[in-house]
Amino acid sequence: ELKVEQNPLFLSMQEGKNYTIYCNYSTTSDRLYWYRQDPGKSLESLFVLLSNGAVKQEGRLMASLDTKARLSTLHITAAVHDLSATYFCAVVSNYQLIWGAGTKLIIKP
Amino acid sequence: AAGVIQSPRHLIKEKRETATLKCYPIPRHDTVYWYQQGPGQDPQFLISFYEKMQSDKGSIPDRFSAQQFSDYHSELNMSSLELGDSALYFCASSSEMTDTQYFGPGTRLTVL
Repeated sequence: ELKVEQNPLFLSMQEGKNYTIYCNYSTTSDRLYWYRQDPGKSLESLFVLLSNGAVKQEGRLMASLDTKARLSTLHITAAVHDLSATYFCAVVSNYQLIWGAGTKLIIKP
Repeated sequence: AAGVIQSPRHLIKEKRETATLKCYPIPRHDTVYWYQQGPGQDPQFLISFYEKMQSDKGSIPDRFSAQQFSDYHSELNMSSLELGDSALYFCASSSEMTDTQYFGPGTRLTVL
């Protein structure tokens, strides 16, 4: 059974700082997703990573995938308040998305 | 660009009542997924449909049923509602081309 673990689950940081969220998964998968969710809102697709070594960047967010280590990272560069949200990683297993618990990110001005 | 549409956005029901949630996928998306998300929880997969046939089943209670219609919209029917059914219910859609699930705005169900 595929398990997905994120850490940290909660992160409070100052604007301008860099930080990384980690997503580990227990069995092989060919697709990993990162989603963003604002409180009470929908889930917004950020990145889909398909292959080992894949790196995608959008603004201050950069996601990477190491399929050998079964690890994905979401790196935040020079954080700004607008990035405050909960970030989920999700991995495909048997056509289903298996979700991490989410990382609640609070960025203080 | 068109997004996934869900209705209603908010629904208040009493215990033992029934509820029907509707989902209209992005045009030309052939797969619909239903998720339940409790407060502070990750989304829990309920059920999915591909080309109007049930394709996968997750942790959907027997009290719930769903179907996808000829126009690809989907409905989640919930009966004998319980307090624990209070949650955000999301519908997502995808196609073979996009490979990504796009989520609707959700329906917030409150059971009193």
